[in-house]
Amino acid sequence: GDSVTQMEGPVTLSEEAFLTINCTYTATGYPSLFWYVQYPGEGLQLLLKATKADDKGSNKGFEATYRKETTSFHLEKGSVQVSDSAVYFCALSGDQAGTALIFGKGTTLSVSS
Amino acid sequence: NAGVTQTPKFQVLKTGQSMTLQCAQDMNHNSMYWYRQDPGMGLRLIYYSASEGTTDKGEVPNGYNVSRLNKREFSLRLESAAPSQTSVYFCASSEYTGISNQPQHFGDGTRLSIL
Repeated sequence: GDSVTQMEGPVTLSEEAFLTINCTYTATGYPSLFWYVQYPGEGLQLLLKATKADDKGSNKGFEATYRKETTSFHLEKGSVQVSDSAVYFCALSGDQAGTALIFGKGTTLSVSS
Repeated sequence: NAGVTQTPKFQVLKTGQSMTLQCAQDMNHNSMYWYRQDPGMGLRLIYYSASEGTTDKGEVPNGYNVSRLNKREFSLRLESAAPSQTSVYFCASSEYTGISNQPQHFGDGTRLSIL
């Protein structure tokens, strides 16, 4: 079945450092790919998405490119801030109506000043 | 701009008690979902409803039942709560464009402890 694998955390960085969180997937058909972020005590918020191969999703300085050849959707940010500290989830959705999200286990990011 | 509303936000139950978690969305979405979140496990799908009038099991449905009351509301029931059901429960909704599923919108979660 479909699955998502993302790098284990926690990831600890200093402010203004470069961030990469790796995400790879296994899926049939043409899934959509997402990154969600969860701040402490809150629900999940969509960070960015890509719906087809070579699409680049971007938001708030974060980027991820849908790479079908490597089945990857790595999250990057050039300069992290303390306010980026959160848990990040990579997820995929199948191409059939009503398909639920399949999540990776989440990566905790901690940024210090 | 409510989005997805879950009630209650917190609940403590004793083993064997029953309770229903409520979820409502105001975005006119067809599809709704219930997930549970446990440390180190990500989010796992319990049940989902692709459209009004239909429900299907997800990855971890045992011990739960659901009702899609109407297009807006999707409730999750624990008939006889067990300590293993201590978790944070999230409801979500989404729309399908005919080509792909749009991003899911999540509620703020229900933190449930079973003693």
